[in-house]
Amino acid sequence: NAGVTQTPKFQVLKTGQSMTLQCAQDMNHEYMSWYRQDPGMGLRLIHYSVGAGITDQGEVPNGYNVSRSTTEDFPLRLLSAAPSQTSVYFCASSQRQGGGETQYFGPGTRLLVL
Amino acid sequence: DAKTTQPNSMESNEEEPVHLPCNHSTISGTDYIHWYRQLPSQGPEYVIHGLTSNVNNRMASLAIAEDRKSSTLILHRATLRDAAVYYCILRASGTYKYIFGTGTRLKVLA
Repeated sequence: NAGVTQTPKFQVLKTGQSMTLQCAQDMNHEYMSWYRQDPGMGLRLIHYSVGAGITDQGEVPNGYNVSRSTTEDFPLRLLSAAPSQTSVYFCASSQRQGGGETQYFGPGTRLLVL
Repeated sequence: DAKTTQPNSMESNEEEPVHLPCNHSTISGTDYIHWYRQLPSQGPEYVIHGLTSNVNNRMASLAIAEDRKSSTLILHRATLRDAAVYYCILRASGTYKYIFGTGTRLKVLA
């Protein structure tokens, strides 16, 4: 199993540009989520999905869109990039266990918005 | 959402046990206590979790206070590879919201 994969590893955008961060998992996990991590900070939940076709907002959803058309993929779209979105983005997945599940994280995407 | 409080940093000597504390005074009855760690330039990785009873696995032990308002992650013999930021997180059953704090940066001295 490849686990959770994220592409690209690093991206530079100009203010106002849009882009999609890709996330895929091959473990048939129901839950997937996106976090951002700013320097020296913990992770903050952006959006999450409890299954194909179902998404919900986390702590910091503004400026981001998600969709979940398949179990495997959970892309994160930046609609109009802003310097405040410069961060490291992590995708995670887990199997539903009612609170005791283990989250598996991807290696992250470093995003720089100029 | 219930919050956790951890010391910003701790140091330990190699081969010695490490006790990483976490306060969660607003924990509710259905909140699971999860611990993750993040090595430099990597995504977080699962360490251990529990609900009410103490838990052991190959990586660590989790000691949960009787009133569940605090917990302690125990690394039995710290190695240099255990140097990381350790996050104590509450995860409410029935939701999928993990609220990360700023964690404890563990430094292991050779």
